Amino acid sequence: EDQVTQSPEALRLQEGESSSLNCSYTVSGLRGLFWYRQDPGKGPEFLFTLYSAGEEKEKERLKATLTKKESFLHITAPKPEDSATYLCAVLNQAGTALIFGKGTTLSVSS
Amino acid sequence: ETGVTQTPRHLVMGMTNKKSLKCEQHLGHNAMYWYKQSAKKPLELMFVYNFKEQTENNSVPSRFSPECPNSSHLFLHLHTLQPEDSALYLCASSQGLTGAGDSPLHFGNGTRLTVT
Repeated sequence: EDQVTQSPEALRLQEGESSSLNCSYTVSGLRGLFWYRQDPGKGPEFLFTLYSAGEEKEKERLKATLTKKESFLHITAPKPEDSATYLCAVLNQAGTALIFGKGTTLSVSS
Repeated sequence: ETGVTQTPRHLVMGMTNKKSLKCEQHLGHNAMYWYKQSAKKPLELMFVYNFKEQTENNSVPSRFSPECPNSSHLFLHLHTLQPEDSALYLCASSQGLTGAGDSPLHFGNGTRLTVT
């Protein structure tokens, strides 16, 4: 069964304290892995798509990486405005629907 | 208006009521989706429409009835709901079905539904 597990469930950081969020997946042929950001009271906002192991993508303080079993979202020198829930999702070879993880809620304090 | 707009933002209904959620997208996309988001659970896909045709019904109870009159509008008709149906209902759109190339979902801000 296709599955996505995100860890940790919640993460508290001080401003400037770099860290990583993990997304482990089990899928029958990966077509793509997606990262979304969700602010309270809002819908998820697309961040990145990764397609193959070794691929990396960056956006401001965020960098997403992909291996054959997991993806990491690295946050460098975070700011309070990076506080949000980060969702990971995968698409398998056969599917037309994303399989989402439960998310990691990040809180960055100044 | 830009992006994906959902109305109402909040809805409280009794178990015997009938109500509808509305979604409109201004992105020119051809695929539209309904997702359910409950606390401590992953996003659950409910329905998928591609060019107004329903392509997926993810074993959703019949008390939820979708309608897609055109590629820009999507409705979710609700009747005789249960308290466990209380959740955030998210609408999304994409250009092509998810996975058809680099075609991420664009979400609305959702309708927070409470069933009493």
